[in-house]
Amino acid sequence: DSGVTQTPKHLITATGQRVTLRCSPRSGDLSVYWYQQSLDQGLQFLIQYYNGEERAKGNILERFSAQQFPDLHSELNLSSLELGDSALYFCASSARTSGGYNEQFFGPGTRLTVL
Amino acid sequence: DQQVKQNSPSLSVQEGRISILNCDYTNSMFDYFLWYKKYPAEGPTFLISISSIKDKNEDGRFTVFLNKSAKHLSLHIVPSQPGDSAVYFCAAVGQNFVFGPGTRLSVLP
Repeated sequence: DSGVTQTPKHLITATGQRVTLRCSPRSGDLSVYWYQQSLDQGLQFLIQYYNGEERAKGNILERFSAQQFPDLHSELNLSSLELGDSALYFCASSARTSGGYNEQFFGPGTRLTVL
Repeated sequence: DQQVKQNSPSLSVQEGRISILNCDYTNSMFDYFLWYKKYPAEGPTFLISISSIKDKNEDGRFTVFLNKSAKHLSLHIVPSQPGDSAVYFCAAVGQNFVFGPGTRLSVLP
């Protein structure tokens, strides 16, 4: 158990809909990262937050947004969903911002299926 | 443009033998490298790391080698065990964490 929790575990929705994925980092970790893993693909970095502020942005679509709240949990919002958005979405946390030498601890992921 | 490459999508090794997983990167600004292991239906878990100022780091059965001039790193697992069967991701740290596409290792009993 990494200490990072993600809800829900599975999500099935239709094209055009909007969903919110939730992540609670390990106790004390200030950085939260979101990744997308499509079928047989590697982990694609989406976005990072550090202590409530956006710190780095990767290959995140404009239809996607995220935020980190004062209690440090984070939410990833996916809107106008398309079939190609079906993927595993992982959240990870670390004690420092990216560039620091602390490894990331990953949650179990949310499997999103868009029908 | 893949900054971190793992050119072998899969690898099969006999139990007890050495597993060698390779990773190549293109960005010379990366200064820290990590290996993660991922089992099905679970998130990746950290395995071992190496700073760019070193060329080798060892932890039990796992050793990571870094060749900065070749922009290449490798993970050696000796001896390989069936429980090592998983997908292994190489990651590089610069401005962000950049993950490779992964190599699926199968250790055959």
